[in-house]
Amino acid sequence: EMQLVESGGGLVQPGGSLRLSCVGSGFTFRSYWMTWVRQAPGKGLEWVANIKEDGSEEHYVDSVKGRFTISRDNAKNSLYLQMNSLRDEDTAVYYCVRDLWLYFWGQGTLVTVSS
Amino acid sequence: DIQMTQSPSAMSASVGDRVTITCRASQDINNHLAWFQQRPGKVPKRLIYASSTLQSGVPSRFSGSGSGTEFTLTIAGLQPEDSATYYCLQHSGSPFTFGQGTKLAIK
Repeated sequence: EMQLVESGGGLVQPGGSLRLSCVGSGFTFRSYWMTWVRQAPGKGLEWVANIKEDGSEEHYVDSVKGRFTISRDNAKNSLYLQMNSLRDEDTAVYYCVRDLWLYFWGQGTLVTVSS
Repeated sequence: DIQMTQSPSAMSASVGDRVTITCRASQDINNHLAWFQQRPGKVPKRLIYASSTLQSGVPSRFSGSGSGTEFTLTIAGLQPEDSATYYCLQHSGSPFTFGQGTKLAIK
């Protein structure tokens, strides 16, 4: 059974940092692009970043460029999102999603940025 | 960045109705469009990819069409469990972008 399990969310002050993790199982993790998508409370979906199968290519939405870094460790079937200089508007549920076309979603982890 | 304009933002319909949701892209995205359903409190689920290919396991009352800049999601024979918010996503050029969503209520 395919699974994506996110962790690392929580409450952080503006300007702070947080690292999200996602572990995949039930599929060949190293064979797929991976993506982070977020959803602010009561709002729509926002594509955040993705990373190529071998980690050689990354893309970001403009609002997080220079602050967030996506990475992966295929030996650990893991995807990461390092989030620095966090702002109130980064408050959201962050979903780890398999592949370029967002086939399979994790349950999400809540990040709250507040003083 | 490619902008996706989705309409309507909200609608209501009765069981058995035929419903159409539209997404317009700010530039040609060929057929690089997917549709997602998000029921209240649930994780989004992909319904359609490559504009018109139905995801395995999705009921055949869902269909997608379009190419270029205009796309539609049609639900033929609305069911109570179709009450949800629907999103389109363009995956033609980075950053990928979602439409604003269409909240569909069942009368």
